[in-house]
Amino acid sequence: DTEVTQTPKHLVMGMTNKKSLKCEQHMGHRAMYWYKQKAKKPPELMFVYSYEKLSINESVPSRFSPECPNSSLLNLHLHALQPEDSALYLCASSQKQGSLNTEAFFGQGTRLTVV
Amino acid sequence: KQEVTQIPAALSVPEGENLVLNCSFTDSAIYNLQWFRQDPGKGLTSLLLIQSSQREQTSGRLNASLDKSSGRSTLYIAASQPGDSATYLCAVSGFFTGGGNKLTFGTGTQLKVEL
Repeated sequence: DTEVTQTPKHLVMGMTNKKSLKCEQHMGHRAMYWYKQKAKKPPELMFVYSYEKLSINESVPSRFSPECPNSSLLNLHLHALQPEDSALYLCASSQKQGSLNTEAFFGQGTRLTVV
Repeated sequence: KQEVTQIPAALSVPEGENLVLNCSFTDSAIYNLQWFRQDPGKGLTSLLLIQSSQREQTSGRLNASLDKSSGRSTLYIAASQPGDSATYLCAVSGFFTGGGNKLTFGTGTQLKVEL
C-alpha cells in the first residue's frame, strides 16, 4: 500500500474561519511533508516532520500551523487565511531521512479556496 | 540554492511517438531525482526514482537517465498514448541538516498526446 490519504478533497473557508487539513499514511514512513501548489506552478515545500518532530519550516506565515500527532498522521491548522492562500495543498511521506533510495509519495491534495 | 528547470514547458505529439522530456539542476549534491506525473487538479504520482549513484531506471514504457555531473536528467516515453497526457515534474532531493528529504521541483512539462 503506497497510499497517502488527504481530507477533505475540497475546502472553502472565510478569512475569519479556523479549519484543519488532515493527512494519513500507513506505510511506516517517518518523514511527512506539506507542500503548497499554486495554479500552473510546481509544488513548494512548507514543512517537514521527521520522527514526529518539525525539522523544516520554510518561513511559512504563522496562520499555517502544522501538527504531527503520531507517525501516521499530519495536520495543517489554518486560521485567518488570505485569498492569496488559495491553492492545492499536498501532503507527502517518505521512508527515511536523507537516503539515496528515499522515494516520496504524495496524496491527492486538498483544493483550498479562501473567500 | 538549488534551481530545477524543465524543457520544453509544453509538448503536443501524435499518438505512438517516442518523446524525451528534459530536466536540469544547478547543484549536483543530490540524494536522488524523482519523476512525477500530475493530472489536472490532482496529486502527484511517482513514476521513477533514480539514486544519485545510478545512471538509469526503467519502468514499462518509461526510461529515466541521470547525469549528475552535468546536472541533467531525461525522461523517455516510448510509444506515447493519449492516457500519457499530463504534466510531468522532476524533483531533486537535496542534503540538509535535520530530517526528511527536501524536494525541489522543476517547472514541469505539460504533455498532450493526440489521437
